[in-house]
Amino acid sequence: SQTIHQWPATLVQPVGSPLSLECTVEGTSNPNLYWYRQAAGRGLQLLFYSVGIGQISSEVPQNLSASRPQDRQFILSSKKLLLSDSGFYLCAWSVWALSGNTIYFGEGSWLTVV
Amino acid sequence: SQKIEQNSEALNIQEGKTATLTCNYTNYSPAYLQWYRQDPGRGPVFLLLIRENEKEKRKERLKVTFDTTLKQSLFHITASQPADSATYLCALGTGRRALTFGSGTRLQVQP
Repeated sequence: SQTIHQWPATLVQPVGSPLSLECTVEGTSNPNLYWYRQAAGRGLQLLFYSVGIGQISSEVPQNLSASRPQDRQFILSSKKLLLSDSGFYLCAWSVWALSGNTIYFGEGSWLTVV
Repeated sequence: SQKIEQNSEALNIQEGKTATLTCNYTNYSPAYLQWYRQDPGRGPVFLLLIRENEKEKRKERLKVTFDTTLKQSLFHITASQPADSATYLCALGTGRRALTFGSGTRLQVQP
């Protein structure tokens, strides 16, 4: 069966510091990969999605970036964090099917920028 | 621009009753609609998918309807239990594009 791992689960970072969140998927090949952010009490905001290695689409202009160095690995980064980057970050995967694009989420990473 | 609306106010119901949550959308012609459950501090979990040519879908105590004319989906939980308390998100999709999520409605089932 497919599993998704995301880490770290929680982190507190000072403003201006770098960020790296990592996500890996097991049990499937060539998945679509996603990074979503959820601010407190808010909906899910799509940040990046990838349909293959090195193929990244950015949905929201910001100081974050994403990379996909391997088929089942997705990394979210920032060179300098802002206070507004605080939130709950979720990595997710899907495999396209005729019935639709069902997304499966990881457990999330809580980021607090102080 | 595309907009998905879910009631931001929490829905409080008594155990055993039917919970009905609403998802409305504008400026969108989705090929399918999905419902997810999210518990506090956890990632959303997929519950049901319904396609544009389907009127209703059922899974155990869950029922989803999809009215493309009204641009609305209703999500029902029958015989609700306290364990059903969570936030429920609707999401719209077209083709291979990433899903667009609503902000969710929190359901609280009182024992």
